[in-house]
Amino acid sequence: EAGVTQFPSHSVIEKGQTVTLRCDPISGHDNLYWYRRVMGKEIKFLLHFVKESKQDESGMPNNRFLAERTGGTYSTLKVQPAELEDSGVYFCASSQDPRATGGIYGYTFGSGTRLTVV
Amino acid sequence: AQSVTQLDSQVPVFEEAPVELRCNYSSSVSVYLFWYVQYPNQGLQLLLKYLSGSTLVKGINGFEAEFNKSQTSFHLRKPSVHISDTAEYFCAVSEGYSSASKIIFGSGTRLSIRP
Repeated sequence: EAGVTQFPSHSVIEKGQTVTLRCDPISGHDNLYWYRRVMGKEIKFLLHFVKESKQDESGMPNNRFLAERTGGTYSTLKVQPAELEDSGVYFCASSQDPRATGGIYGYTFGSGTRLTVV
Repeated sequence: AQSVTQLDSQVPVFEEAPVELRCNYSSSVSVYLFWYVQYPNQGLQLLLKYLSGSTLVKGINGFEAEFNKSQTSFHLRKPSVHISDTAEYFCAVSEGYSSASKIIFGSGTRLSIRP
């Protein structure tokens, strides 16, 4: 099966511009997560979708970040306007409904999008 | 609140030597522990996980980790490393058992293997 796919793999934008990151989860995975790693620090949780609904968005840094998952398939993460401190690697992950897997833990991560704001 | 501390940001090791990557965690409840690996230009891959049962967990590529509740540690070990083990390793914790729980990561340890 195809893994979690993220587009683009790299993006360089100027401060004040808008960037949209995309994540295509594994087909059938209801849970979709966004994480971010800034400047070699720890990878931090941003938000969690269950299908098209936001289950937990406690990690979103501010209102310049907007995540959507229309139709419960792929998700986008838009940063508008981008600031220098937004630079980092943005990871997406997906997992099945734990009831479908007997509760067995099963995240699959994408390769990430490296965002550089200059 | 949960947190994860990886004590070494970089670990250089000679090929075929043993290695231990240290991880300590803090949590007020029972936790589930993980080690992830990120090879150059790839995504995060699960190496191993501790959910319950035996405290010695074996993962892929010859890695293993031992859960020590009294010391709140989950150190990763490999008896003999290879060049292909060069990567960044992340320790992580989750309070939830299901796939719907978010993960808290450590800051990562870069393992570099010298020939």
